[in-house]
Amino acid sequence: GNSVTQMEGPVTLSEEAFLTINCTYTATGYPSLFWYVQYPGEGLQLLLKATKADDKGSNKGFEATYRKETTSFHLEKGSVQVSDSAVYFCALSKVTGGGNKLTFGTGTQLKVEL
Amino acid sequence: GAVVSQHPSWVICKSGTSVKIECRSLDFQATTMFWYRQFPKQSLMLMATSNEGSKATYEQGVEKDKFLINHASLTLSTLTVTSAHPEDSSFYICSARDPLREVSNEQFFGPGTRLTVL
Repeated sequence: GNSVTQMEGPVTLSEEAFLTINCTYTATGYPSLFWYVQYPGEGLQLLLKATKADDKGSNKGFEATYRKETTSFHLEKGSVQVSDSAVYFCALSKVTGGGNKLTFGTGTQLKVEL
Repeated sequence: GAVVSQHPSWVICKSGTSVKIECRSLDFQATTMFWYRQFPKQSLMLMATSNEGSKATYEQGVEKDKFLINHASLTLSTLTVTSAHPEDSSFYICSARDPLREVSNEQFFGPGTRLTVL
């Protein structure tokens, strides 16, 4: 079945540091890949997405490239801010016999300190 | 566009009572909505897929008689937690697909409902 593996957190960084959150997936075919962000007490917000191999999703300084050869979709940001502190979820979506479902990773908490 | 709302945002109830949570797509028609449950510091667990005008499809291990889902219109799905108990306390999140954005299979999420059962 489909699965998503994320690096465990929490990840603690100083402001302006470089961020990488690793995400790898297992799925047949070509799923769509997503990064969602969840701020404290809130629901999930789509951060970025990629629908095919070699696509790069980007938003708010965050980037992730769909790597079919390594089945990865690592999230990166060159310079994090305190306001980026949140939980980040990697997810994939693939149409199955049961319909279109999202499979989430376990989430990685990011803490950015001054 | 593609905004999903939930109501209430939080609710506290007594053990044994039932609680209804609403999920609405505000600016699109959602033929399919999803209900998730999130435990503290954990990922989202899909509970069921709600299709407009038909019965919901529940994931394995989710009690359909306890978590009643109704998707009566293209913009509204409801989740009713019946005879709630403290172990049902959780963060419940709904999402919806916009059929006009099928290519990416993207889901749009509501802000969540915090349920606390005393």
